Amino acid sequence: DAGVTQSPTHLIKTRGQQVTLRCSPKSGHDTVSWYQQALGQGPQFIFQYYEEEERQRGNFPDRFSGHQFPNYSSELNVNALLLGDSALYLCASSPSIGTGKPYEQYFGPGTRLTVT
Amino acid sequence: GQNIDQPTEMTATEGAIVQINCTYQTSGFNGLFWYQQHAGEAPTFLSYNVLDGLEEKGRFSSFLSRSKGYSYLLLKELQMKDSASYLCAVRVLNAGNNRKLIWGLGTSLAVNP
Repeated sequence: DAGVTQSPTHLIKTRGQQVTLRCSPKSGHDTVSWYQQALGQGPQFIFQYYEEEERQRGNFPDRFSGHQFPNYSSELNVNALLLGDSALYLCASSPSIGTGKPYEQYFGPGTRLTVT
Repeated sequence: GQNIDQPTEMTATEGAIVQINCTYQTSGFNGLFWYQQHAGEAPTFLSYNVLDGLEEKGRFSSFLSRSKGYSYLLLKELQMKDSASYLCAVRVLNAGNNRKLIWGLGTSLAVNP
């Protein structure tokens, strides 16, 4: 049973460019959350997707957008990249509320984004 | 607002016991998590508390007091491999019954021989 997978593992982009990161949730999970983690910091919640809709959003600008597909996989898009967007981007999947174990939130290995 | 506090750094000796504290001020509390994160890796789940009291799992234990907004992670018989960042996270529910995690900044633990 594959856990949460993310691609790519590393990415280097130039300021002003756009990037798309991908996440496939653990089998049986239908909720996907995205986090940004700067070096030496805790993860910061970006947004959460369930039933192909954005359900919650953290304090991130509209340059950060996402999508969830019918197979529950998800994409995170960042437009007009800034140097400050350089971070580890983590995807976490969990079962919808009322199903599974309440502490089930599994993280993917992350995508390390470097903006130059 | 939502706030989680934990010490930035701690140091301990191999074989010893260490307690990492976490205090929180949140609304819609729905459980507290502890995660371990080694440098360059994703966080891995350690423990979950939703009721007051102590949850023990091998060398790791976690305690919660909801009335005090306080939790701690207790690590016994420390090993060198326990050197990592330990993240406290509180799950909150909003009016739409959606869950999200609020994260602390993490406590960097160094275990010395």
